[in-house]
Amino acid sequence: DAKTTQPNSMESNEEEPVHLPCNHSTISGTDYIHWYRQLPSQGPEYVIHGLTSNVNNRMASLAIAEDRKSSTLILHRATLRDAAVYYCILRVNRGNQGGKLIFGQGTELSVKP
Amino acid sequence: EAQVTQNPRYLITVTGKKLTVTCSQNMNHEYMSWYRQDPGLGLRQIYYSMNVEVTDKGDVPEGYKVSRKEKRNFPLILESPSPNQTSLYFCASSLSGQVYNEQFFGPGTRLTVL
Repeated sequence: DAKTTQPNSMESNEEEPVHLPCNHSTISGTDYIHWYRQLPSQGPEYVIHGLTSNVNNRMASLAIAEDRKSSTLILHRATLRDAAVYYCILRVNRGNQGGKLIFGQGTELSVKP
Repeated sequence: EAQVTQNPRYLITVTGKKLTVTCSQNMNHEYMSWYRQDPGLGLRQIYYSMNVEVTDKGDVPEGYKVSRKEKRNFPLILESPSPNQTSLYFCASSLSGQVYNEQFFGPGTRLTVL
């Protein structure tokens, strides 16, 4: 299974930017990088995904290294509602397993007022 | 509103009493999936369905059954629940099983088997 490595926890101050790192050194050329987050007592929620280029959406930005072996999820202004576990997931484009999300332990982000 | 719904949200049952957890999506998605979440083990896929009448095992299918008779529904069946199936269960759906599709998750069903 494609593996990602994330810090167990990070802390941020409210209204400051947050950079959540992820290493995925075994990534293959057609594997997508996805980020999901799970707020307390809720189901996982899609945040963003990308293949090679940096991506922006209303929730966050995704910066992908040129060699694709690492990526960073950027929350531009953290709010208290962004406190959650953030999962970096490689979507492996092989066989019928592309639909499966392989969740690691994720990074628990806490946001201080 | 586009959503995935699950019922019940909470269930306490006893060993061996058959139960069904329902999952329904209103987005006309082809792909649906069940996960369980356990402390220290994260989320693991139980079963998935690429489309109507097409289902397959995930990583931890033992003790579970599923069916996909219509596109919107994907019930999870525990024919003889055991205490090791006590867990938090999530249903998810996406447009297809392609790696570039986002998945939408339900709110979860917390199951306790005594």
